[in-house]
Amino acid sequence: DADVTQTPRNRITKTGKRIMLECSQTKGHDRMYWYRQDPGLGLQLIYYSFDVKDINKGEISDGYSVSRQAQAKFSLSLESAIPNQTALYFCATSDPGQGPNTGELFFGEGSRLTVL
Amino acid sequence: AQSVAQPEDQVNVAEGNPLTVKCTYSVSGNPYLFWYVQYPNRGLQFLLKYITGDNLVKGSYGFEAEFNKSQTSFHLKKPSALVSDSALYFCAVRDEGGYQKVTFGTGTKLQVIP
Repeated sequence: DADVTQTPRNRITKTGKRIMLECSQTKGHDRMYWYRQDPGLGLQLIYYSFDVKDINKGEISDGYSVSRQAQAKFSLSLESAIPNQTALYFCATSDPGQGPNTGELFFGEGSRLTVL
Repeated sequence: AQSVAQPEDQVNVAEGNPLTVKCTYSVSGNPYLFWYVQYPNRGLQFLLKYITGDNLVKGSYGFEAEFNKSQTSFHLKKPSALVSDSALYFCAVRDEGGYQKVTFGTGTKLQVIP
């Protein structure tokens, strides 16, 4: 089984609908992230969480919200989806980056969202 | 603000030839530099990193990268390209601060031609 699991892998929805993307991990990492990938733009950080009680906005948080239900679970919600939120979304985890563990990211397989 | 530049959208190389994927960065303080690879319909996978020490770092699948502080570059290299190396490659830089913000480049598509 994958260390970082995202569901759903693909979703087509309509403008105005509420969408939730879920992420679970078995790596035991405290830090979890949601990124958005658009062609030619690289990855942009939406939200990040360093533990269950610590949630922070990233570069492009407008229109998104998150919930850290447990150490292993981090969900991304689009309260009212719009077409320009059509993108590939990635969940990632990392360790704190101390000693030999220098904070590289471990990614899920991605959730492709299409908003019509 | 930190930034990463990958000047080439695509790099084409013949199988068996050496390959280079370029990356330059800007960050305050000492850079933590990473390369990730993304195969079609997959998430990003960590390839290698530079934190400190030897300027030439070796990673997965025979890839290596050279850190050049004066040129603020961290180019990815491989002596002999394989068709299976064809993928999207991302350079990333992380700062040393409490948040340890990671900034990604826009990616370079590597096409290895048989």
